[in-house]
Amino acid sequence: EVQLVESGGGLVQPGRSLRLSCAASGFTFDDYAMHWVRLAPGKGLEWVSGINWQSGSLDYADYVEGRFTISRDNAKNSLYLQMNNLRSEDTALYFCAKSQGASVVGAPGGLDSWGQGILVTVSS
Amino acid sequence: IVLTQSPGTLSLSPGERATLSCRASQSVSSSFLAWYQQKPGQAPRLLIYGTSYRASGIPDRFTGSGSGTDFSLTISRLEPEDFALYYCHQYGGSPTFGGGTKVEIK
Repeated sequence: EVQLVESGGGLVQPGRSLRLSCAASGFTFDDYAMHWVRLAPGKGLEWVSGINWQSGSLDYADYVEGRFTISRDNAKNSLYLQMNNLRSEDTALYFCAKSQGASVVGAPGGLDSWGQGILVTVSS
Repeated sequence: IVLTQSPGTLSLSPGERATLSCRASQSVSSSFLAWYQQKPGQAPRLLIYGTSYRASGIPDRFTGSGSGTDFSLTISRLEPEDFALYYCHQYGGSPTFGGGTKVEIK
C-alpha cells in the first residue's frame, strides 16, 4: 500500500523559513516524479512544485519560484520542500503527491497517491 | 495554462446526472488532463487521467471526455458519496489545477 506522510509544518512568522518532508513507502520511490500541492483557506488546489525521478528536472509555480526549493533523497525515500521568505499567502495545507510517471511535465497518469497534508501557517 | 471550471457550484439530487466543465486557456493534450475528487478533511483522490481513463477502483458512473480546450466530467447517477469538490488538472505543461466545482445536495 502506498503511503505518503508529510511532516515539518507549523506556525512561522512572515519572512522566516520552514522545511517540509514527505516520507514515502509502499512503492519504488525512485521510479516516479513527485509533487507538492497546496490548499489555502477558501481557495482551490494549487500546484506548487514538482521533481522528476532523478532530480534532473525541477519545476515551480510562479508564486513560489525563487523562494521554495524542492528536493528528494531516493536512498531515504523522501521528498522535501524548503520554503524561504514565507508570506501570509503561503498559509495552506501542503500535500505531497506521487505521479504515475517519471517526469514532472508530460508524465502519463496524473497524481495517483496523496498524503494527508501538513498545515503551514504564516502569521506574526 | 489556466483552467476554468464551471459551474462553481452544482446543486443536484441523488440519482441525477452531473456534468462538470473544464476549459483551458490553450490546447491541452488529451493525454495530460485529469480529474480529482476532494471531500472535507481528506486528500484529493484521482478519478480520471488521460481525459477518459478511470483510475483504479473508480466506478463506471464517472466518465471523462473532451479534447483541445474543452473537457468534461460526467457522473451518470449521483450517489450520496459523490457530493464533493471536483478539480481538473493539466500536466502537459507546467502543471495547473482548475478552481473547482462543488457538487452539493439540492
